[in-house]
Parts: sequence; structure tokens; C-alpha cells
Amino acid sequence: DAKTTQPPSMDCAEGRAANLPCNHSTISGNEYVYWYRQIHSQGPQYIIHGLKNNETNEMASLIITEDRKSSTLILPHATLRDTAVYYCIVRASTTSGTYKYIFGTGTRLKVLA
Amino acid sequence: DGGITQSPKYLFRKEGQNVTLSCEQNLNHDAMYWYRQDPGQGLRLIYYSQIVNDFQKGDIAEGYSVSREKKESFPLTVTSAQKNPTAFYLCATAGLAGGREFFGPGTRLTVL
Repeated sequence: DAKTTQPPSMDCAEGRAANLPCNHSTISGNEYVYWYRQIHSQGPQYIIHGLKNNETNEMASLIITEDRKSSTLILPHATLRDTAVYYCIVRASTTSGTYKYIFGTGTRLKVLA
Repeated sequence: DGGITQSPKYLFRKEGQNVTLSCEQNLNHDAMYWYRQDPGQGLRLIYYSQIVNDFQKGDIAEGYSVSREKKESFPLTVTSAQKNPTAFYLCATAGLAGGREFFGPGTRLTVL
């Protein structure tokens, strides 16, 4: 199974871009990268996902390197409400035909006023 | 996320008792998942199921059991064989073709 590696913590000034890196060097060609965030004692919230191309939505942008071994989640203008733990996840197919979502340990982002 | 109900939000049990955590969904998703989260840690997969009456072990299945008698329901039983059951338990669903996971609000289990 592909595994993800993230820095344990990061700080970002309010209003600045937050760039959260993720390493997934063992990812296979058909495995997607997902990003979720979790605020204490709640279920994780979906942010964005991608396979090869860069993606953007109303919450964030996802930059995936050409070799797909790493990616970066960008929150363009971080606010205090973006303080959370951010998980980079690889969706891997299983032998039974379904999918498993492999979570790393996450990055604790603290947005500073 | 809306459409997934986990109950109760907080659960207390005595050591040695089995306890069943509920997960119900109305998203018509085929795949359902149970995760365990310990303080300051990421999510670890316990069991998952893609269709009724079929399920597979995840990475930490020992001491847990599940059933999938209905598409909408995937209850998790924490048995007395689970050495350290106190944790935050999350249920999730996804369409069979993949796509993103949807998470329930979680149940925090404390064994006294």
C-alpha cells in the first residue's frame, strides 16, 4: 500500500498562503491523492483530490509533481478557521475490488493572527 | 457530513463488556468503513465492506467485529478481546466506484 509522509506541524500567518507538503513516493499509477482536514473531535472534512493534473476548487489548490511522488496543498489566504490537522491520503484499490483510503499522521496547521 | 449518523456521540463502558457502535447512512453508498483514532494520531482502518454480507479486515481488526446485513447499516462491536478500546471511532462511506469518503461525526468510547 502507498504510504504518505507529512511534516507534523506548521505555522502560517493569517492572510498568507499555507503550503502543506506530502510525500507519497510509493504511489501507483491509478491511485488518487486526497486531502482532508479535521478539527478536534469531528469527522474529517473533504478538501480536494487529484490523480495527475493540478486541481483547484473554492477551498484550495492541489499541486502534484510530474512523477506523482509528492504533492502540495495550498490554502491561498489562510484564516484562523483553517487551523486544523490536514491529512494527505492515498486511495488504493484492493483485491476485492473496492478501495481503501490510507491515512498518514497528518500536519497540524496553526494559523497565527 | 450529512447522511451518516453515528450514535451515541459519547459512550462509557466497563472493562470486559462488549459494546456496539452504530453507523447508519442514507447516501446509497456501497462501501462503508470503520476507523479508530487515538489522541494525536491519524486514522487507522479497522474493517470495511463493499456489499451486504461481505466485509474485509483492515489494519487493526483484532478485538473488533462487524456485520453488514443492510446496505444502510454497518455496526461495529468492540469486544472484550480488544486490549485498549478507549478511542474515537469514525465511520465513513464511499461509492463503489470510488470517489471521496464521507465521514460521520464519530463516537468517543471510554472504557472505565
